[in-house]
Amino acid sequence: DAKTTQPPSMDCAEGRAANLPCNHSTISGNEYVYWYRQIHSQGPQYIIHGLKNNETNEMASLIITEDRKSSTLILPHATLRDTAVYYCIVRVAGVKAAGNKLTFGGGTRVLVKP
Amino acid sequence: DARVTQTPRHKVTEMGQEVTMRCQPILGHNTVFWYRQTMMQGLELLAYFRNRAPLDDSGMPKDRFSAEMPDATLATLKIQPSEPRDSAVYFCASVDRVAGNTIYFGEGSWLTVV
Repeated sequence: DAKTTQPPSMDCAEGRAANLPCNHSTISGNEYVYWYRQIHSQGPQYIIHGLKNNETNEMASLIITEDRKSSTLILPHATLRDTAVYYCIVRVAGVKAAGNKLTFGGGTRVLVKP
Repeated sequence: DARVTQTPRHKVTEMGQEVTMRCQPILGHNTVFWYRQTMMQGLELLAYFRNRAPLDDSGMPKDRFSAEMPDATLATLKIQPSEPRDSAVYFCASVDRVAGNTIYFGEGSWLTVV
């Protein structure tokens, strides 16, 4: 699976949008971009994933550049409960077993401030 | 709301004792992962199973760790004998192949070996 690069930490103001960048310049054509977050003392939580089109769900939006070498997770209205470590992961998805692994990097520690 | 269930949530044990952690994956998920998280190493993949068969346990110390899936509703991770360096949070996760191979995590088993 391709490696990702994320800033180690960032602060965000409550109520504002939080834009979390991720570089994945070695991503392969069959690799998806996944975002997870881990709130303190909890298990990692799935947020969103995408291949090449932008995606939106009730939690966040995912913007993937046209060359797919980077992406941005957007939390549209950050709340104090969004304080967490956010992981950007690229992996193959599909029927073969090897494609199902999630390899976590260091993530971005996001602190939402009042 | 379906979820991955792990027991025990917290365990303190003495060095040399056997520790067994249990996981009930989400019903219908046929792939199960074991991860370990420490402050120093972050989230590490230990092993994973598909349809109860072990697919990859290369991340697991073989001399003291063992992972099994005796049936579709139970996965176990056993440490014998335990050592202080095994102190960590152990996460179980299962895969929803219908929802884009999304991986769902349990809340973790917090292990302290003294």
